[in-house]
Amino acid sequence: NAGVTQTPKFQVLKTGQSMTLQCAQDMNHNSMYWYRQDPGMGLRLIYYSASEGTTDKGEVPNGYNVSRLNKREFSLRLESAAPSQTSVYFCASNEGGPAGELFFGEGSRLTVL
Amino acid sequence: QQQVKQSPQSLIVQKGGISIINCAYENTAFDYFPWYQQFPGKGPALLIAIRPDVSEKKEGRFTISFNKSAKQFSLHIMDSQPGDSATYFCAARVTGGGNKLTFGTGTQLKVEL
Repeated sequence: NAGVTQTPKFQVLKTGQSMTLQCAQDMNHNSMYWYRQDPGMGLRLIYYSASEGTTDKGEVPNGYNVSRLNKREFSLRLESAAPSQTSVYFCASNEGGPAGELFFGEGSRLTVL
Repeated sequence: QQQVKQSPQSLIVQKGGISIINCAYENTAFDYFPWYQQFPGKGPALLIAIRPDVSEKKEGRFTISFNKSAKQFSLHIMDSQPGDSATYFCAARVTGGGNKLTFGTGTQLKVEL
């Protein structure tokens, strides 16, 4: 019962470095999402993919890019990391449509020095 | 701009007591209101959800109360237990909004013995 798997779980970057967070789900879900969680800010949507082949911006997309590689995989890329991107990143998925439940991964903690 | 306002930020309750967390929203297009529970080091998980055509939903010790005219909804945890200690997020979704959830800022609940 893997559900939503994120890698890596922890990462430390220097300002200006790039990296990609990987996410894969094995529930055959249509929709996938990337959120960031910061103290006192809750969960904020970065990008989402309603279905394979589509991606859209969320609330805080600046500084990020995404790729929906196939139905299972949705990656988040930081091209030039900044300290403001220090956060815990969560990938989530759901069936899409009226079904509301999001299934989250366990998170990736990123620190940018 | 926080579309879903959540309070309190933190809450300490004695074992057996009632925990109450409140959320308020402005966007009348929201049509689905879930609560998520998050334990340390884990991703959020759906706890209970309600749609605006009902005023209350109960699942075990957890109850959502919904006041459409006041644009408020709340989570009540009856007979609170130490195992309920977690962070709770309210959320809301807009019809046709790509099934995107907007989250509140979270409430850290601690249930003491």
